[in-house]
Amino acid sequence: ETGVTQTPRHLVMGMTNKKSLKCEQHLGHNAMYWYKQSAKKPLELMFVYSLEERVENNSVPSRFSPECPNSSHLFLHLHTLQPEDSALYLCASSWDPSYEQYFGPGTRLTVT
Amino acid sequence: RKEVEQDPGPFNVPEGATVAFNCTYSNSASQSFFWYRQDCRKEPKLLMSVYSSGNEDGRFTAQLNRASQYISLLIRDSKLSDSATYLCVVKHLMNRDDKIIFGKGTRLHILP
Repeated sequence: ETGVTQTPRHLVMGMTNKKSLKCEQHLGHNAMYWYKQSAKKPLELMFVYSLEERVENNSVPSRFSPECPNSSHLFLHLHTLQPEDSALYLCASSWDPSYEQYFGPGTRLTVT
Repeated sequence: RKEVEQDPGPFNVPEGATVAFNCTYSNSASQSFFWYRQDCRKEPKLLMSVYSSGNEDGRFTAQLNRASQYISLLIRDSKLSDSATYLCVVKHLMNRDDKIIFGKGTRLHILP
């Protein structure tokens, strides 16, 4: 299934590094999302973009910076992360925020 | 009361049996409901939407009880491949934005 793709699939970075996660959807959807999934915790919604406009930002630290250049692409720029930021970062898309979402395979991030 | 609650399980069920689990939600204004399944170290995948009139797809039946504020998922004739974590998702409008809440999931193990 290639509806929503994410790169890289795995990332190890130091606390002083800057990296970016990329998400691309091929479903013609208008809304895209970033989620964080840590062990033993529910999925945490980080950001929502609808028609390239950010509509939700759930008190995410500024070391995470999203970018949505168009309705098919979503980035998550990372800088000066902490070890507790290690998690699975999932991207999703939907027709609009009230519709069901389709997830990408995720990027497993380890911060050392 | 948590916004979305699920029994974490695990539910250990013999193959061929019927299993059901619920998800309760606290906000009576919630409007959209979904069940996702998530396999170990994989992304969540949409199982089914939950409509007011209920929804059936093969061996799976989802129901919504607005009065008691819960949704349910029933799996008949369970298969080994049904082993997964089942996530409940509830959406409601908060101000002008959709609020999307995932439950922590219920783990299901189908035993041969």
